[in-house]
Amino acid sequence: DGGITQSPKYLFRKEGQNVTLSCEQNLNHDAMYWYRQDPGQGLRLIYYSQIVNDFQKGDIAEGYSVSREKKESFPLTVTSAQKNPTAFYLCASSIVAGSMNEQFFGPGTRLTVL
Amino acid sequence: DQQVKQNSPSLSVQEGRISILNCDYTNSMFDYFLWYKKYPAEGPTFLISISSIKDKNEDGRFTVFLNKSAKHLSLHIVPSQPGDSAVYFCAASAINSYGKLTFGQGTILTVHP
Repeated sequence: DGGITQSPKYLFRKEGQNVTLSCEQNLNHDAMYWYRQDPGQGLRLIYYSQIVNDFQKGDIAEGYSVSREKKESFPLTVTSAQKNPTAFYLCASSIVAGSMNEQFFGPGTRLTVL
Repeated sequence: DQQVKQNSPSLSVQEGRISILNCDYTNSMFDYFLWYKKYPAEGPTFLISISSIKDKNEDGRFTVFLNKSAKHLSLHIVPSQPGDSAVYFCAASAINSYGKLTFGQGTILTVHP
């Protein structure tokens, strides 16, 4: 089955700790994206990557970091510098990073900072 | 600055009737529009899209209408079914934006049996 997997589904972190969220896709898509969703709000773009070894900041990149060493993997690290990290995090991919391509989403990871 | 707005937080419809979800945008560089459906604690699922060169796209029970002059799009679901109950997001991408999507806040659709 082709798709996007995110792990873990639920994640708890103590304040001041960094945490890494996993995102893997076997769709052979070039582009990958990270979004964050807060209650009552739409999805906001954190980082995106058009190809391997390349990524750009989205609208709310502060306090986050990413890497894209493999085509199928795009992990997101939530650092202690992120002021309000508790949220639902969604990873997505598309065939290429063009404006006419739909993005396919993973099931999400809910991060709670204690 | 909210470039994509869904001004109705919720919509309640009777089964079998039409559901109309609305979305407004401000960025004239948007050239591709999408609708996603989302259940709680799950990722959004792509429903239907439309490019700016069209004013209508239909897929089964779902039709999206685009009015470029009014910077407005709408999603029609006919007939509505209880399984359609979910949050619906409209999203838009701009020319030369590398596929970056800007999302609206979402509309909660409830279809009553």
